[in-house]
Amino acid sequence: EAQVTQNPRYLITVTGKKLTVTCSQNMNHEYMSWYRQDPGLGLRQIYYSMNVEVTDKGDVPEGYKVSRKEKRNFPLILESPSPNQTSLYFCASSPDRGRTDTQYFGPGTRLTVL
Amino acid sequence: AQSVTQPDIHITVSEGASLELRCNYSYGATPYLFWYVQSPGQGLQLLLKYFSGDTLVQGIKGFEAEFKRSQSSFNLRKPSVHWSDAAEYFCAVGSGTYKYIFGTGTRLKVLA
Repeated sequence: EAQVTQNPRYLITVTGKKLTVTCSQNMNHEYMSWYRQDPGLGLRQIYYSMNVEVTDKGDVPEGYKVSRKEKRNFPLILESPSPNQTSLYFCASSPDRGRTDTQYFGPGTRLTVL
Repeated sequence: AQSVTQPDIHITVSEGASLELRCNYSYGATPYLFWYVQSPGQGLQLLLKYFSGDTLVQGIKGFEAEFKRSQSSFNLRKPSVHWSDAAEYFCAVGSGTYKYIFGTGTRLKVLA
C-alpha cells in the first residue's frame, strides 16, 4: 500500500531532551516536507526537501533540524525541545517538486513537551 | 508576501443543504491552488487542485471549486452536504519557491 508513515504517533517528553520523529514514504517521491498544525494557525511548513541531500527552510524552521540521506526517509529532529513546540506534526511527500503536485500526508505525530 | 485567508473558522449546515467555503489568496504570479480535507484524527487528503485551464474544477466526493482571478478567490462548493463531510477543510497555494502555504482552516459541522 502506498503510504507515508510517521513514528511515533504520540510522544510526551520534557524540555531539552533531544528527540527524532521519523517519516518514511514508499512511493519513490522526490519531494518531502514537514508541517506543524496548531489551533487557529492552520498548517505551517517547517522544512522541505526537493531531493536527497537537498533541504530548505519553510516558514517556521527555528528549533528544528532535518536530513535527507535516503530518498524514502525524512526525519525531523528537535535537539532541545521546548513547550512551544507542543503541536501536531505532519510529514508529507509528493512525486515531483511539490509546488504543483498533490501532497500525500502521514497520519500525524502529536508531540507534548512539558 | 504570499498568503491564504479562510475567513470562516466554523460553518454549520444541515444535511442536504448546499455548502460554500471561502478561500482568498495573495500571490503575484499564476497560483497553484489546492483544497484538502482533514477528517477527525486523520491526515490531510486532497479534494481538488487548480493549475490552469477551466476555472471550474471538479474533485472527489462531489466537491467543486471555482477559480476567480479578479477576486483572488478559490471557493469550495458542494450542492448537497452529507453527514460524513463533517471535517476541517484547508485551502493552500503552492508558491514559487517550492513552499506550500496553507490557510487556517474551516471546520464544518453537519446537522442531521
